[in-house]
Formats: sequence, structure tokens, C-alpha cells
Amino acid sequence: QLQLQESGPGLVKPSETLSLTCTVSGGSIRTNNYYWGWIRQPPGKGLEWIGSMYYSGSAYYNPSLKSRVTISLDTSKNQFSLKLSSVTAADTAVYYCARMRGGLLGGPSYYFDYWGQGTLVTVSS
Amino acid sequence: EIVLTQSPGTLSFSPGERATLSCRASQSVSSSYLAWYQQRRGQAPRLLIYGASNRASGIPDRFSGSGSGTDFTLTISGLEPDDFAVYFCQQYGSSPPLTFGGGTKVDIK
Repeated sequence: QLQLQESGPGLVKPSETLSLTCTVSGGSIRTNNYYWGWIRQPPGKGLEWIGSMYYSGSAYYNPSLKSRVTISLDTSKNQFSLKLSSVTAADTAVYYCARMRGGLLGGPSYYFDYWGQGTLVTVSS
Repeated sequence: EIVLTQSPGTLSFSPGERATLSCRASQSVSSSYLAWYQQRRGQAPRLLIYGASNRASGIPDRFSGSGSGTDFTLTISGLEPDDFAVYFCQQYGSSPPLTFGGGTKVDIK
């Protein structure tokens, strides 16, 4: 059974960089036709997609965050990471990592079938 | 940008009732790229439906999805206690490539 687990600081100061890691177990991040992504949810609000990356390096980002976001994969550790720079209080949220089915084979695609439990990151001085 | 509107924000039902949730897109969405998720309080979202009408693994058959173009529906026939939760729709398409609806909370009447 595939499992994802987020890790990283729960508190980040304004203007600094938020860094999170997602460790994948029970499967490989080099699996064909699956992307690895990040979604966030401010307290009491809805879901916002941040970005998704394929093990080849191909990536999609939310244009509203693209200038501040870096997603990277470490296939040797079966992990992927999120960096969000110049954070403000508006970036306070629960951050989820998730696996996304890609569209390489056609048919139903681009949905998140496995999620981590989420980690709350608060931006405050 | 494709905006997904889920309204109303809250629906109230009694256990055993049938719930019909709406997801309306501002532009046409491919049925292959429309998904539904359930989020219970304090938990991560869980995939229910993908490709507009395909149940995810382990999802009971009381959950069903339908629709095409700009109008999609999630139906829960016979609400059980664990079904009272928030439901989100999600689409993949034009820029931004991926968006979620604002969610509908299914409350106990």
C-alpha cells in the first residue's frame, strides 16, 4: 500500500523560505505515468493546487505561485520536496503531498489517488 | 481560468437520505479530467470519483458521479454517518492546469 508522509518545520518566519519533504513508501516515485505534487489548504478554507512533477523533471505549477515555488524529486531517497520562498501570513496552511495520475495513457487522468496526512505550516514572526 | 463552482456551500440531510451535489464549470471540462474527493474533519482528502463517473478503489457503490461539459454531479444514495463531510470537485485543463471547487459541506439535519 502506497504511503506518503510530509515532514518539515511547522513554523516559518515571514519573508523566509518554507521547505517540506514528502517521503514515499510502498512504491517508487519513478513509476510511469504518475506525477508527485503538493496541495495546500488554509485553515477553514478550500484546496489550492501548488504544483506537480514527473520523475523525468517535467513539471506543472499553479501560475499564481510559480514565481515562488520549486518542486524537486530525489529518486535515490524516494522523496520529493517543496520550497516556497518569500512567505507571508497568507501562506499559512495545511500542506499535503499527493500522487497524481498522469495523462500518458489517455483516459481518466490528472487526479490525486494517494495523499499524505498533511502538515500545518504557520507563517509568523 | 476554469472556475469550479460548488453551490450551495452547505447541504443538510438526515441519515439514509439521497444527496445530490453540484459542480459547475465556467468553461467546458473533459469528463476524463473531472474528479471528486471527500474530506472528513481533520483528515486528508480521499479520492471518490475520477473521470467523472469512475469509482476509486474501495469506494462504496452508494457514491456515483455523472455529468459532462460544464455540469457535473456527485450522488450519495443512502447517507451513512461517515458520509457527513466536505466534498470537493477538481478539474484539469487550461491555465491554471488544475483547480478545485470551493467545496460543499454535507451536514446532518
